[in-house]
Amino acid sequence: GNSVTQMEGPVTLSEEAFLTINCTYTATGYPSLFWYVQYPGEGLQLLLKATKADDKGSNKGFEATYRKETTSFHLEKGSVQVSDSAVYFCALNTGFQKLVFGTGTRLLVSP
Amino acid sequence: DGGITQSPKYLFRKEGQNVTLSCEQNLNHDAMYWYRQDPGQGLRLIYYSQIVNDFQKGDIAEGYSVSREKKESFPLTVTSAQKNPTAFYLCASREGEVNTEAFFGQGTRLTVV
Repeated sequence: GNSVTQMEGPVTLSEEAFLTINCTYTATGYPSLFWYVQYPGEGLQLLLKATKADDKGSNKGFEATYRKETTSFHLEKGSVQVSDSAVYFCALNTGFQKLVFGTGTRLLVSP
Repeated sequence: DGGITQSPKYLFRKEGQNVTLSCEQNLNHDAMYWYRQDPGQGLRLIYYSQIVNDFQKGDIAEGYSVSREKKESFPLTVTSAQKNPTAFYLCASREGEVNTEAFFGQGTRLTVV
């Protein structure tokens, strides 16, 4: 079946540090891949997405590249801010079906 | 503005009572979903619906029920059979095509008192 594996958190960084959150997936067919962000007490918001191999999704300084050869979709940001502190979820879908989410990675950024 | 609305934001339930969580969307999306989130946990799928008058069980459907009488609405009932209902509940919708993302409501926090 389809599945998503994320690195466990929390990830603790100082402001302006480089961020990487790893995400790998297992899927049949050709999935679309997503990163969502969740701030405390709120629902999830789409951060970025990629729909085919070698696509790069980007938004608000975050980037992720769809790597079919390594089945990965790692999230990166060159310089994190305190306001980036949140929980980040990697997800996939392969059609008119349920989304599959990873377990989430908490990011804590200190001033 | 288009979006997905969950209500109430906070809900308290006595043991043995059923309670219904509301989810409404005006995005004209075909598919709707209910997820449960426990502290420090990921999202677990309760039920989903791809079309009006049809829905399927997710991974943790026991103790829950849903209906989909209208495209816009997908209410979730937490029954007394759900032994540990205290959690954060999230509703989502999407168009249903392969490349589309899900849109989430703000969530309902249910507490059993």
